[in-house]
Amino acid sequence: NAGVMQNPRHLVRRRGQEARLRCSPMKGHSHVYWYRQLPEEGLKFMVYLQKENIIDESGMPKERFSAEFPKEGPSILRIQQVVRGDSAAYFCASSLQGNEQFFGPGTRLTVL
Amino acid sequence: GEDVEQSLFLSVREGDSSVINCTYTDSSSTYLYWYKQEPGAGLQLLTYIFSNMDMKQDQRLTVLLNKKDKHLSLRIADTQTGDSAIYFCAALPTGGGNKLTFGTGTQLKVEL
Repeated sequence: NAGVMQNPRHLVRRRGQEARLRCSPMKGHSHVYWYRQLPEEGLKFMVYLQKENIIDESGMPKERFSAEFPKEGPSILRIQQVVRGDSAAYFCASSLQGNEQFFGPGTRLTVL
Repeated sequence: GEDVEQSLFLSVREGDSSVINCTYTDSSSTYLYWYKQEPGAGLQLLTYIFSNMDMKQDQRLTVLLNKKDKHLSLRIADTQTGDSAIYFCAALPTGGGNKLTFGTGTQLKVEL
């Protein structure tokens, strides 16, 4: 039973490029969450999705960031026109219901 | 909103007990969690406690919850070098839409 999978594990982008981060939840899990971890900090909630629906995006920056969880395929976190301040580790978690969230290994984004 | 705080560092000798502390502000938090993060890795869910419990034990791990003081602790018995990691406390507030609020993490160093 595979855990939460994220790819790529490491992503390097130049300023102004787009970053696409993918997350496949655990089998049977329909709830997906994205968190961001800045260096030397804890994780900050970004967005909570269920299949084809954004439930809570209160932690998402208003511009350049978007997320989706289509009916088929992984959840995607998309960052347009990346800036150096977007450099962070982005973690995806999934849950069957709400109280146990299992995390993936993360995608470490570096913006040059 | 919820605020979760932890001390930044803890150093113990191998074989001793470790106690990692956490405070939170939202008394309506329903679940409180402990996650472990090893260098370059994702978060591993260690254990969690429901807010109507005072204590939960799971092998070498003991979680204590003082709801009056909004204080949570994680005790690791017979600490081993493999326990060296960053430990995050997280809270799930009532009506929080399943979004976890994390502390900044406590770096545990186990010395021989």
